[in-house]
Amino acid sequence: DVVMTQSPLSLPVTLGQPASISCRSSQSLVYSDGNTYFNWFQQRPGQSPRRLIYKVSNRDSGVPDRFSGSGSGTDFTLNISRVEAEDVGVYYCMQGSHWPRTFGQGTKVEIK
Amino acid sequence: EVQLLESGGGLVQPGGSLRLSCAASGFTFSYYAMSWVRQAPGKGLEWVSGISISGGDAYYADSVKGRFTMSRDNSKNTLYLQMNGLRAEDTAVYYCAKEDYGGSPDYWGQGTLVTVSS
Repeated sequence: DVVMTQSPLSLPVTLGQPASISCRSSQSLVYSDGNTYFNWFQQRPGQSPRRLIYKVSNRDSGVPDRFSGSGSGTDFTLNISRVEAEDVGVYYCMQGSHWPRTFGQGTKVEIK
Repeated sequence: EVQLLESGGGLVQPGGSLRLSCAASGFTFSYYAMSWVRQAPGKGLEWVSGISISGGDAYYADSVKGRFTMSRDNSKNTLYLQMNGLRAEDTAVYYCAKEDYGGSPDYWGQGTLVTVSS
């Protein structure tokens, strides 16, 4: 199975400051069709997960543009340009290029 | 509006069985692959199973392979997860999710809690 490793696992941030989460996969996530099926999800306290980013860098509808995704192959990053209070929660990466799908361990974002 | 409503969770003894359902609405169910993802109390997300549009192909995490069976009824817009041989470590909130054409869960239900305990 593809192992997804996130860092850091805990991320205290100051409101208005940037934040960055890394995710590394144990195998390349480039699929045979040339696409890279890599996603980022946000889970706010007490809520279901919500997808933020798909195929590395595509923002879902309604996702603020302060969220951006980048990366390729095995190394990916989620950036938040200016953290707001509503961004508190746990962020997960997930790969969809290989069966079984796998998630990272999650990164807990909290306000300092 | 896409809606996914899970049901069927509850308390079951170790070794027991449970069938989860997920009623879908707001989109053409038969056009999309679906998946189940679970979350143990206080833990992260774990992908459990995925199923193709027709239901002819299903995939499972190693942790549930041979014990869980995912299926769908496109005429009823409903997804199922038959869980047999349940273990304490299967205790979790089980989410149903619609996948987009890239195999990524783009909409999630509210989840149903399964507790395996004697």
